[in-house]
Amino acid sequence: GAGVSQSPSNKVTEKGKDVELRCDPISGHTALYWYRQSLGQGLEFLIYFQGNSAPDKSGLPSDRFSAERTGGSVSTLTIQRTQQEDSAVYLCASSLDGRESDTQYFGPGTRLTVL
Amino acid sequence: AQKITQTQPGMFVQEKEAVTLDCTYDTSDQSYGLFWYKQPSSGEMIFLIYQGSYDEQNATEGRYSLNFQKARKSANLVISASQLGDSAMYFCAMNRGYKLIFGSGTRLLVRP
Repeated sequence: GAGVSQSPSNKVTEKGKDVELRCDPISGHTALYWYRQSLGQGLEFLIYFQGNSAPDKSGLPSDRFSAERTGGSVSTLTIQRTQQEDSAVYLCASSLDGRESDTQYFGPGTRLTVL
Repeated sequence: AQKITQTQPGMFVQEKEAVTLDCTYDTSDQSYGLFWYKQPSSGEMIFLIYQGSYDEQNATEGRYSLNFQKARKSANLVISASQLGDSAMYFCAMNRGYKLIFGSGTRLLVRP
């Protein structure tokens, strides 16, 4: 079946602009995760959605970052007033039900460049 | 705090030979899981293998095996019969609840 898809694959924006990154998880997966991969920080957790539960936003680096998941499927990560340090690859993953031993399957990522 | 350490930033291996990528971890949890992912130049993280802390047998998936030494807190990935397509970044990760904590990765280059 289809894997996790993300769009756009690349995004170049100017400092101060808002951006939206989209993630479409594997069909039937109830858990969805966002991670960020940057040269300085490596791979870091951002946010976790599981079913209808309140999301775990503990990894979001600032209040400029927000995310939502509509209908338990597609998720959008929004970065407001982008800064150059937001430049990174944003990876989305999904898993079957969010258990600790669940395998997380990743999408191809969105490469964000803030000029 | 949980931590994953990958001490080999880069490695070379000859095609068809076996290679071991090192991973050590630090945790006070009794129950945890260890994962290995491959990231080719295309950027996608590809799941390779999983080992649970209570699993008595080392995990194997095709040419991949995980050498799990719980007392030493190590979870090394062994790739047998390396192929040119194995050239990629490899990340070791551990779950903290549902979050994955990643190491800094090892870049593997397979020589023909």
